[in-house]
Amino acid sequence: TQLLEQSPQFLSIQEGENLTVYCNSSSVFSSLQWYRQEPGEGPVLLVTVVTGGEVKKLKRLTFQFGDARKDSSLHITAAQPGDTGLYLCAGSNSGYALNFGKGTSLLVTP
Amino acid sequence: GAGVSQTPSNKVTEKGKYVELRCDPISGHTALYWYRQSLGQGPEFLIYFQGTGAADDSGLPNDRFFAVRPEGSVSTLKIQRTERGDSAVYLCASSPWHGSTEAFFGQGTRLTVV
Repeated sequence: TQLLEQSPQFLSIQEGENLTVYCNSSSVFSSLQWYRQEPGEGPVLLVTVVTGGEVKKLKRLTFQFGDARKDSSLHITAAQPGDTGLYLCAGSNSGYALNFGKGTSLLVTP
Repeated sequence: GAGVSQTPSNKVTEKGKYVELRCDPISGHTALYWYRQSLGQGPEFLIYFQGTGAADDSGLPNDRFFAVRPEGSVSTLKIQRTERGDSAVYLCASSPWHGSTEAFFGQGTRLTVV
């Protein structure tokens, strides 16, 4: 069962545009992570957020954890073709299993 | 190696056969996870090891699936009597310690059951 809903499912934009993807749940998580996955590879951790309302920046990527720790967003400024990939959010409560969303598949064309 | 290593990268097997998938975690990482990713889906949890013991195997779909980690390092996921529905990418991840929020994934094993 996927407890996390990601939207949009697919996103195709041109280089230089901005975008936001969302990760929503009815459950509270003690921490939430964002991963990026490229074809044929495993997911690579981008960021972990643990505090409600927390904002973290990683170069052109801005991550926000909702105040109630049920949702998160990822904003990319001036997208580049190298940002292309599958963006996955994952929530954790016990330090055991990560609960993943289905992901947002992003294509950035030159 | 520096990262999580999974072998083989690809495995094609006939329905009904037995397969073993291997995971070599990052050296020193005590926590190890197996996930399964079907096409168009996010990874789904299968089993978690803390050291040599399976701390949580609630994600294993049925008793055809079994995993071991006898020395607390390398792990093997074993699937008996494979079915076409078992076709997926099997991902292994390791973390430095129990409760760590950082999971480092291998590249996965793509299993195809024909």
